[in-house]
Amino acid sequence: AQSVAQPEDQVNVAEGNPLTVKCTYSVSGNPYLFWYVQYPNRGLQFLLKYITGDNLVKGSYGFEAEFNKSQTSFHLKKPSALVSDSALYFCAVRQGTSGSARQLTFGSGTQLTVLP
Amino acid sequence: GAVVSQHPSRVICKSGTSVKIECRSLDFQATTMFWYRQFPKQSLMLMATSNEGSKATYEQGVEKDKFLINHASLTLSTLTVTSAHPEDSSFYICSATPGVNYGYTFGSGTRLTVV
Repeated sequence: AQSVAQPEDQVNVAEGNPLTVKCTYSVSGNPYLFWYVQYPNRGLQFLLKYITGDNLVKGSYGFEAEFNKSQTSFHLKKPSALVSDSALYFCAVRQGTSGSARQLTFGSGTQLTVLP
Repeated sequence: GAVVSQHPSRVICKSGTSVKIECRSLDFQATTMFWYRQFPKQSLMLMATSNEGSKATYEQGVEKDKFLINHASLTLSTLTVTSAHPEDSSFYICSATPGVNYGYTFGSGTRLTVV
């Protein structure tokens, strides 16, 4: 079974400060990891993914995430937060095997609030 | 690329009626689509995996006869909530991928309210 943990329900950060949203995962074999953002009453928007390659992944809107295999973590980061970054963030994982599409398992979500 | 369109975005229906939600992949073919349900301020819970040309695979606890899924073509999957009740009110989201290297794309979601 695969699972994702987002230990923080809420993260508050001042505008201009760096932000981190934490994610740890559990999956058999190599993981495929994803971060999504959701605004109220909207679907999920893709931010970035890790499939293979460099552990530091750069994504949309200045976000990045670092894959750490030993700590089974995939924390989302941004050097300088914007008020418009305030939203609900989801980490997701799937088993990294080839073949047909497999379902993602999502974390519980972290509400990020950037204070002006 | 990799756009998923979901309709309607919002629907209100009377208790006991059925509602159909459509999920279309606009610029790619999707042999598999996923249907999720999301309660307010909660995570996405996978309801079922929709497979083109075959039966959907439902997650444990999801009623097959309540949530009918049809995936008749490579670009369209539908979720029908039958005999809807107020407890079926929720946010439903579909997802598909042209291949894992492209990531998973989500529809904009459907807010269902059963009155």
